[in-house]
Amino acid sequence: GAVVSQHPSWVICKSGTSVKIECRSLDFQATTMFWYRQFPKQSLMLMATSNEGSKATYEQGVEKDKFLINHASLTLSTLTVTSAHPEDSSFYICSAIHWNTEAFFGQGTRLTVV
Amino acid sequence: KNQVEQSPQSLIILEGKNCTLQCNYTVSPFSNLRWYKQDTGRGPVSLTIMTFSENTKSNGRYTATLDADTKQSSLHITASQLSDSASYICVVSGTISNAGNNRKLIWGLGTSLAVNP
Repeated sequence: GAVVSQHPSWVICKSGTSVKIECRSLDFQATTMFWYRQFPKQSLMLMATSNEGSKATYEQGVEKDKFLINHASLTLSTLTVTSAHPEDSSFYICSAIHWNTEAFFGQGTRLTVV
Repeated sequence: KNQVEQSPQSLIILEGKNCTLQCNYTVSPFSNLRWYKQDTGRGPVSLTIMTFSENTKSNGRYTATLDADTKQSSLHITASQLSDSASYICVVSGTISNAGNNRKLIWGLGTSLAVNP
């Protein structure tokens, strides 16, 4: 199946710093990418939807200025957590689709803010 | 309210045994139902996806069933292996399929399966 690569797989950062997470579709062009957040023992929660070349659409309650999403090409989307705080510590997962195909997920990024 | 409920919350079985996981949903309108396997600390991997007209679909040792009338689905795992230990998540899409339909995915909390030797 299609491969979505997410990097880094884990990151530890100091409170107040920014962290960038990359999501790449390796063998297909992703017209739409999605960013999810997952807390322990909870479901994935959609944060935002991004289409290549346009601004991301954020879900209610997700701060667009804090979670910056850039989908500059058909194979790359980035999520930047700005001014990270301990409560931002979570598991972040991206997924990508090409038009009406099945969604493929990255392996996730474990963010720990200390 | 659109909801997806899974049972049991957790399950422990011995290697080689079969098991069945349940999913009830109240999502409407219904587009499709998916089962994902999520290993700890990893992204979900799709096992099956079923539309309204499909009653059963298999993927190796995984067999999913769907009863759209009662809004129930099950995932049956046969001859379990240690590598089956993971969280199994039922996800229901509540929109007509289009490029952005994942935005309306309703996720269950998952069933945590542990397969012991």
